[in-house]
Parts: sequence; structure tokens; C-alpha cells
Amino acid sequence: DGGITQSPKYLFRKEGQNVTLSCEQNLNHDAMYWYRQDPGQGLRLIYYSQIVNDFQKGDIAEGYSVSREKKESFPLTVTSAQKNPTAFYLCASSKVRILSNQPQHFGDGTRLSIL
Amino acid sequence: DAKTTQPPSMDCAEGRAANLPCNHSTISGNEYVYWYRQIHSQGPQYIIHGLKNNETNEMASLIITEDRKSSTLILPHATLRDTAVYYCIVPNTGNQFYFGTGTSLTVIP
Repeated sequence: DGGITQSPKYLFRKEGQNVTLSCEQNLNHDAMYWYRQDPGQGLRLIYYSQIVNDFQKGDIAEGYSVSREKKESFPLTVTSAQKNPTAFYLCASSKVRILSNQPQHFGDGTRLSIL
Repeated sequence: DAKTTQPPSMDCAEGRAANLPCNHSTISGNEYVYWYRQIHSQGPQYIIHGLKNNETNEMASLIITEDRKSSTLILPHATLRDTAVYYCIVPNTGNQFYFGTGTSLTVIP
């Protein structure tokens, strides 16, 4: 089945450690997104990418980095500079981003906790 | 920032229709209205979207007022599995989606 796969489902990070969250899609979508969700809150955009080898910062990019070397993959690295990384991380994808008629489709998320 | 306003919570009896309202008074002529829902600890699930005509799919119906300043998502026969947070979204320029706190729908047995 086509969809978005995020892994791992749960991840634990030690203080000062970088961790990478995986996001893969087989929907042939051009655009991909990373969101962060804190308890009882909505989603906040971290980074997005409209095309391979290109990405832009969202509202809360500090302490995060991404890459987009392949159309299917958009990994997110939570760096040690992110002082409050405990959250639920969601990856999404859509067809061409600039069109205003393309729903985003989401993975099932990765829950990151600090040890 | 959000371009929509939703009530924070609603209840609905199982088997009855759930009508979830959304105000989007600043919507412009070519902007779509999207609805998603999120069940606890899962990713948001796309439900439906529309521009100005009413839309229906296997999950729900979307009723958009003629002036497009508000809409209603209708779940025709709510089940316990429809208990979730429902988000009404009007994307910003460039198809950027803003998920606020939505409406928490509880379906009561």
C-alpha cells in the first residue's frame, strides 16, 4: 500500500546527542514536511521541502536539520542544540506544494523522549 | 497563524450525526477548506476538502456556506471510533497548513 513510513515509533535521546528520525514515502509526492506536536497543542512546522536537494525552514527550525537527497526520503536530525526535544514528530507529504488544492498525508509519528 | 476558528470541544451520541462547525471569515476566493482528524498518538488523517461546493466522500460531508465564511463537517452516523480531535484548515500562501488545537469530539455510547 502507498503511504508514509516513519521510524522508529519511539526514540530516546541522551543529553548532548544528535538523533535522526526517518521518513519515507512511496506516494511519488514532490513535497515533504516535518511537524512537531507538544501535548495538548497543535502542529508546528519545522522544515519543508518542495523538491529534491531543496528545503526551507518552517516556524521552529532552530535545533533541527534536514536533507532531501531522494524524492522518497526526508530525514530529520534533532541536534543537541534543540534544548527541549521531547515531543511527537510528524512527517507529511503532498503533491506540488505551491498548488492550493493538495492535501497533506501524514505518517504515524515518532515520539522522542530525553533520558 | 490560523485562519480558522473552531469550538474547543463537542459531544455527540453514538449513531447520531456529528456536526462540527468552523469559521473562516477571512478566506479568499481561491482558498480551499480542509478537514483532518487526529486520534490520540497517531498522525492526522485527511478527511475531506472543498472550495465552494458541498462535498461528500465515504467518511464525511462538507457543507460550505454560500459566502464561504464558514463550513460544517458532518459525520452522518458517529461511532465511538470517531472520537478524535478535528482540525479545520485553510492553508496559507504556498499551501502551508496550520494545525491549531481543533475541536475535540467525544462520541458517547
